[in-house]
Amino acid sequence: KNEVEQSPQNLTAQEGEFITINCSYSVGISALHWLQQHPGGGIVSLFMLSSGKKKHGRLIATINIQEKHSSLHITASHPRDSAVYICAVRAPGGGSQGNLIFGKGTKLSVKP
Amino acid sequence: DTAVSQTPKYLVTQMGNDKSIKCEQNLGHDTMYWYKQDSKKFLKIMFSYNNKELIINETVPNRFSPKSPDKAHLNLHINSLELGDSAVYFCASSPRVKGRSYNEQFFGPGTRLTVL
Repeated sequence: KNEVEQSPQNLTAQEGEFITINCSYSVGISALHWLQQHPGGGIVSLFMLSSGKKKHGRLIATINIQEKHSSLHITASHPRDSAVYICAVRAPGGGSQGNLIFGKGTKLSVKP
Repeated sequence: DTAVSQTPKYLVTQMGNDKSIKCEQNLGHDTMYWYKQDSKKFLKIMFSYNNKELIINETVPNRFSPKSPDKAHLNLHINSLELGDSAVYFCASSPRVKGRSYNEQFFGPGTRLTVL
């Protein structure tokens, strides 16, 4: 079992829909990242959070430390949101323990 | 432009060759990383490095070695390339922020390595 599980693996939505992507993890963490990988391959960091909620434009990320769960929400989705969304966690501590552990990604397609 | 850059973008080579991928960041960041993304698009850390410490993921073969000529560069050298090394390699960097030992990472555009 992966230490970081994302759901769904694939998601198709109509433009304008509200989208939720989930991430569950089994290890204690010091931080959680949401990354976006464009169809061209580039990776952009969307959020880094360790508690609560963060918002940036139409994107909202929440985390529940007790439940070891995070969600990424996209409001008023648009075809340009089509990408792979990757959840990654960092365990507390230094050394190799502090390396990021990645989920397998959620492929989102937003149809016009 | 301020960014993390990698060269080359594409690299096609024969099995057994030795090759290097360069990474440069002009963001003034303290820590740099190399990641491998396999054919199933799964990302995995290979190395993280600041000017004090190199942290190696234990699953990385010793044919892979990072070399940092200065704080802005972390190059990846690969000896005796194998078919299984074909992947996309991403460099990233992150800043040191006072009071926080770990921060957001900024990724390079990736280098697609194909070993024939």
